[in-house]
Amino acid sequence: GAVVSQHPSWVICKSGTSVKIECRSLDFQATTMFWYRQFPKQSLMLMATSNEGSKATYEQGVEKDKFLINHASLTLSTLTVTSAHPEDSSFYICSAVSGSNEKLFFGSGTQLSVL
Amino acid sequence: KNEVEQSPQNLTAQEGEFITINCSYSVGISALHWLQQHPGGGIVSLFMLSSGKKKHGRLIATINIQEKHSSLHITASHPRDSAVYICAVPTRETSGSRLTFGEGTQLTVNP
Repeated sequence: GAVVSQHPSWVICKSGTSVKIECRSLDFQATTMFWYRQFPKQSLMLMATSNEGSKATYEQGVEKDKFLINHASLTLSTLTVTSAHPEDSSFYICSAVSGSNEKLFFGSGTQLSVL
Repeated sequence: KNEVEQSPQNLTAQEGEFITINCSYSVGISALHWLQQHPGGGIVSLFMLSSGKKKHGRLIATINIQEKHSSLHITASHPRDSAVYICAVPTRETSGSRLTFGEGTQLTVNP
């Protein structure tokens, strides 16, 4: 079945560095991918909608220069957290829509810890 | 914007019990999603439904569009069903896969 692969699963970085998270659709083409953030014991919050070949659409309150999204192909979207700070520490997860039935597939998530 | 409420927030059951998790939303939708999130964080889509009832193994999902309400049932619950169950609906009527998520129901099934 359709699978979304997300890497890395976890990352620890120093404050001020940038971190890139990849999300790949393995056996289907995803024209649209979504990036979410989840703080402990809270619900998923949509950060942005990533559209292949065009600029991402960011949700209100999400800094587009802080969270760079690139969707250069139909199978790959990346989220780069630039100049990460401890408050960016969170669980980031992507999802992709497969086909016209809009079935959702989620990546396994990335736990980011910024020291 | 669609508002989603799930209940209960936490649920503890004994193995074999019948489980019901409820979800209410405020804006008419095209489809509702039930998701399962395991302790490691990974999320699996269980159901996407727009009307009536769907069944997959021991899981049953129902939706009442008029009442803006959905339920997820687990029959013969098992400790491996322990997870967070999340209801998600389109943020707006026309937003398709752009979703608003409930806060989740933490289910613990004890042996």
